[in-house]
Amino acid sequence: ILNVEQSPQSLHVQEGDSTNFTCSFPSSNFYALHWYRWETAKSPEALFVMTLNGDEKKKGRISATLNTKEGYSYLYIKGSQPEDSATYLCAFYNTDKLIFGTGTRLQVFP
Amino acid sequence: DSGVTQTPKHLITATGQRVTLRCSPRSGDLSVYWYQQSLDQGLQFLIQYYNGEERAKGNILERFSAQQFPDLHSELNLSSLELGDSALYFCASSVGDLAEAFFGQGTRLTVV
Repeated sequence: ILNVEQSPQSLHVQEGDSTNFTCSFPSSNFYALHWYRWETAKSPEALFVMTLNGDEKKKGRISATLNTKEGYSYLYIKGSQPEDSATYLCAFYNTDKLIFGTGTRLQVFP
Repeated sequence: DSGVTQTPKHLITATGQRVTLRCSPRSGDLSVYWYQQSLDQGLQFLIQYYNGEERAKGNILERFSAQQFPDLHSELNLSSLELGDSALYFCASSVGDLAEAFFGQGTRLTVV
């Protein structure tokens, strides 16, 4: 059974705070690690797809790192804004399945 | 707009019935994934198709089946429906294995 775990389950921060969350996945049969942002009443949208150990990706104030040997990825948000409030999902792709974690729900207060 | 179209958006049906959910992937995408999101649960992987062939199966019930047609649209068939099948069903498509998935808006199924 493929298990993708995310922590924390939820996070409340003040506007301007920087924050990070963790995604843990099996380190064997690794193909790719995805991060998605899921706003309420919308559908998930991809942030990053990472395939190589040591990959770092950045999009604006959001960045992600990948460690395939130990099976984890971090997502960082610098200077959180209220519009960053969403659930952040990671998904692990092994040979043939894209398996999602349960997500970290981020709430940014003004 | 992700380019992935799911119909219908909402469906209310009685226990024991059968329904079909439809997904049109983005133009050019060969992979179609189906996910179920029940109340307070994450996205549960059901099944994946690639270019018309079944690629991978998750925890899909025997009462559920799916297929991908030559024009690459996909249908998820749910039969002998139970109250516990009430959920949001998402379809996603991607160009290939390592590419990001684009999600449709989902079909909310309510079984009464």
